[in-house]
Amino acid sequence: DAGVIQSPRHEVTEMGQEVTLRCKPISGHNSLFWYRQTMMRGLELLIYFNNNVPIDDSGMPEDRFSAKMPNASFSTLKIQPSEPRDSAVYFCASSLALAVFGNTIYFGEGSWLTVV
Amino acid sequence: KQEVTQIPAALSVPEGENLVLNCSFTDSAIYNLQWFRQDPGKGLTSLLLIQSSQREQTSGRLNASLDKSSGRSTLYIAASQPGDSATYLCAVALYSSASKIIFGSGTRLSIRP
Repeated sequence: DAGVIQSPRHEVTEMGQEVTLRCKPISGHNSLFWYRQTMMRGLELLIYFNNNVPIDDSGMPEDRFSAKMPNASFSTLKIQPSEPRDSAVYFCASSLALAVFGNTIYFGEGSWLTVV
Repeated sequence: KQEVTQIPAALSVPEGENLVLNCSFTDSAIYNLQWFRQDPGKGLTSLLLIQSSQREQTSGRLNASLDKSSGRSTLYIAASQPGDSATYLCAVALYSSASKIIFGSGTRLSIRP
């Protein structure tokens, strides 16, 4: 399997622009996670889906952030409008089932976002 | 609120030494604890997962232990090699929300040849 695939790998955008990050989970995995990593705050869970349904979005920083999972093989994280403080690495991860069953989480290589 | 702490933030040791990385968590109501490795510019790779009912897990030169009652886990690396240089993160899956996984800030490990 190709693993979790994220795009774009790197993006530089101007403040106020819309940013869309994309993720393809591992085939057959039914849990999908979006994380954000910064030096100051470390790795933060933004939102996770189970069977394409958002379960917990309490980590989404504000209304400028939205995430969708229209089907089992695709998810997006959108920031509109973007701000410099959104600059971070955004990771998508997937697992076979909920963590309670002890399933390993597989991470993509991240989308490095810089908002200038 | 669950907090996961890793000390030290950075560690440098000569090649061949055995070393221990520490992880502590404030709420013992967890389903499991995982140790991850992150190389620069890369995502995270799971190394070991310990269920809450287990005390330790081993994989090659790595051994992870879990003491849930005291809120502590250690990752032991035997006979360290330069290729072990990376950031190591621990993460706990919350009992209250099984897919909510909280990460520590990591220990940046450097193995000197």
